[in-house]
Formats: sequence, C-alpha cells, structure tokens
Amino acid sequence: GQQVMQIPQYQHVQEGEDFTTYCNSSTTLSNIQWYKQRPGGHPVFLIQLVKSGEVKKQKRLTFQFGEAKKNSSLHITATQTTDVGTYFCAGIYNQGGKLIFGQGTELSVKP
Amino acid sequence: DTGVSQDPRHKITKRGQNVTFRCDPISEHNRLYWYRQTLGQGPEFLTYFQNEAQLEKSRLLSDRFSAERPKGSFSTLEIQRTEQGDSAMYLCASRLAGPNTGELFFGEGSRLTVL
Repeated sequence: GQQVMQIPQYQHVQEGEDFTTYCNSSTTLSNIQWYKQRPGGHPVFLIQLVKSGEVKKQKRLTFQFGEAKKNSSLHITATQTTDVGTYFCAGIYNQGGKLIFGQGTELSVKP
Repeated sequence: DTGVSQDPRHKITKRGQNVTFRCDPISEHNRLYWYRQTLGQGPEFLTYFQNEAQLEKSRLLSDRFSAERPKGSFSTLEIQRTEQGDSAMYLCASRLAGPNTGELFFGEGSRLTVL
C-alpha cells in the first residue's frame, strides 16, 4: 500500500555534528517533498524532488532521491540550534495527488 | 495576511458533541487538503478538494467526519458525535493544481480536545 516510513524517530546531536533522516516507500513514488515543523508550529515546505537520483542542496541541507524513486534522505551538515524541529518527508504516488507523510524525525541540537 | 487561516485555533468539547472547523485557503489556490496530526506523528491525510469537488477521502475516516467546500473557496470539516480519540490538531493546507504537485501551504491548525 501507500505508506512512507521514516527513521530515526528522534535524533539528538551536539551542535556542529551532522544529521541524516531517511525515508522509504515500498512502492515507487512520483515525487517526494520535505517539510520542517518547528515546535508548536505547522509544517513548512523545504523542497521537492522529482527525478530519479536527484540531489538538491540548500546551504547546509542536502536532499537525495533514490534511483528507484522509493527512498530519500535529508542530510544536514554542521547542525545549528536553529535546525531544531521535526523533519517530515511526504511521498506523492500519483501526479497531482495527495501527500502521504512519514512519521517524522525530531531533531534536537545541544549547544 | 494572505496565508491559510483556520478557525477556531482551539476547541474543547465534551464527548458526543459536534464540532466544525473552517479553513480559508490562499485565494488563488484551487486545491485544499485536510490532515490530522497527533503528538509525535506525521500529518495523516483526511480528504482533499479541487475547487468544490471532493476528489478523495481517506478510507480510515469514519462516517462521523464530513468536509465541504461549497463555493470552491473556504472549506469546513465537521466531526459529529466526537470521541476522545478525535483529539488532535486538524491541519488545512492549500496549493495550486498543476502538472507537478507543488508545495502545500499549511495553516496554523485547529486543536481539538475532547473531554
């Protein structure tokens, strides 16, 4: 079925360390989006990946879409306290259809 | 403010009562989505509209839940005979329809507490 799994559920890092969250689908995705939700806030769009093997960078954030379009990752280099929040991947199976969110990875950063 | 707005922001109700939430999307957005989020979980899809047409409703959604978007602008989500398990944040989001699914713009959410 259409389900998106995300790991880990929590990640605690020291400021300056790297962070990675992984997203996996059992069936091929059309595209995938990533969102960040700050504590007490609502999800905010970060990026969309469409092509097989696509890699996109936003400053210290690197997003990858797997060759088979079944998995994706978000990597943050040298975390800062402003990176704190929960990161969600959201898979789209049909062009223009609904987004299926993963469970999220909650990132805490110790200064 | 031209973002997605939701009302009320908080609602406390007793079990068995009906509640209704309203969502005003970004004005030019023709797609509107409802999600539910509980603590420590990702947003769970409920339903979505293109203009006034309800295109899909989650099979997990009981018959107590109904959503409308009568004029293709604002939307309402009604929960009848609320249960404690309905306690959650109800998120509304909107976007422009197009060949590629674009970003969703979320509202601040309506938090429901059922006593």
